[in-house]
Formats: sequence, structure tokens, C-alpha cells
Amino acid sequence: EMQLVESGGGLVKPGGSLRLSCEGSGFTFDSYSMNWVRQAPGKGLEWVSSISSSGTYISYADSLKGRFAISRDNAKNSLYLQMNSLRVEDTAVYFCAKGAGGKQNDCWGQGTLVTVSS
Amino acid sequence: ETVLTQSPGTLSLSPGERATLSCRVSQSVTTSYLAWYQQKPGQAPRLLIYGASSRATGIPDRFSGTVSGTDFTLTIDRLEPEDFAVYYCQHYGGSSWTFGQGTKMEFK
Repeated sequence: EMQLVESGGGLVKPGGSLRLSCEGSGFTFDSYSMNWVRQAPGKGLEWVSSISSSGTYISYADSLKGRFAISRDNAKNSLYLQMNSLRVEDTAVYFCAKGAGGKQNDCWGQGTLVTVSS
Repeated sequence: ETVLTQSPGTLSLSPGERATLSCRVSQSVTTSYLAWYQQKPGQAPRLLIYGASSRATGIPDRFSGTVSGTDFTLTIDRLEPEDFAVYYCQHYGGSSWTFGQGTKMEFK
């Protein structure tokens, strides 16, 4: 059974940094692209970033303006999101999601909550 | 930038009825890259439909997806109590993904 487990969320002050992790199991991790998607409290889904299976190709939502960095360690079956210069509006549940052939996301983690507040 | 507009915002129905959810895309897109997700409170989204009309693994055939031009439709026949949730459409294009704002399906 495919599974993704996120960790690393928490409370951080505006301007601070946080690193999220996502560990995959039940599938060949290094064969698939991976994504981060976030959801602010009571709001809809927002795509954050994507990384190809090898880590060669990376893309980000324009709204992030270079503050976030996605990476992966295929030897550890792990995906990461380094978040810097955090703002109150970055408060959200962050999901990692596995990519599939048609660019859909066929497996999601349970999410990790990031709260940016003074 | 591609914009996905879902309608209605809220859909009030009863178990056993048919639900029709719409996702209108702002420009001509590759239908292969349109997906639908279901999300229940406190849970992660679950993939229902990909490639506009293909059901994901384990999704009952009550769920179906169709497309006409830039209008994508998710139809749920014979609603079950567990189908009442929020539904999102998603599209990939130009190295980025876009979600619709969601349709909430509630009990009438």
C-alpha cells in the first residue's frame, strides 16, 4: 500500500524558517515526481512546488517568490520543503503528494500544519 | 495563467440523487491533465478521476468524468452518504498545477 507521511510542521514566528519532510513507502519512490500542496484554514487547495523523479526539474508557484525550496533524497525515500521568510499567510496544512503519469496526484500524505504567528 | 472555475459553490442534494459538478477552464487545455479530487473534513484529498474521464483505482463506477470543450463535468450517480464532501478539479499545464475553488456537496 502506498503511503506518505509528513513531518516538521509547527508554530513559527513571521520571518522564521521551517523544513518539512515527507517519507514515502509502498512504491518505488525514485520513479515518481512529487509535489507539495497547501491548504489554508477553511480554504481550498493551492499547489506549492513540484520536483521530478531525479530531482532535475523543479517548479514553484509564482506566489512563493523564491522563499521556498523543494528537494528530495531518493536513497531515503524522502521529500523536503525548506520554507524561509515565512509570512502569516503561509499558515496552512501542507500535503505532500505523489505524481502519476497523467500529472495527477494519486497518493497524498495526511498533512502537517504550519502556523506562522507572533 | 489557466483559471479553473467550479460551479456551483455548494450543492444540496439527498442520498440516491445524482450530482453534477462543473469545472470550466479559462482556455483550451490538454484533457489528459484534468483530474478530480474528493476531500472530507480533516482528511487529505483523494483522487477520483484523471485524464478527465478515467477512474482512479478503487473508485466506484458511480463516479464519472466527461468533457466538452473547456467544460469538465464530474457526475456522481446514486449518491451515498459518504459522498458528501468537497470536490476539487485540478489541471496541469506549463510546469504548474491549478486547482478550482471547490464545490461543497451537502445534505439537503
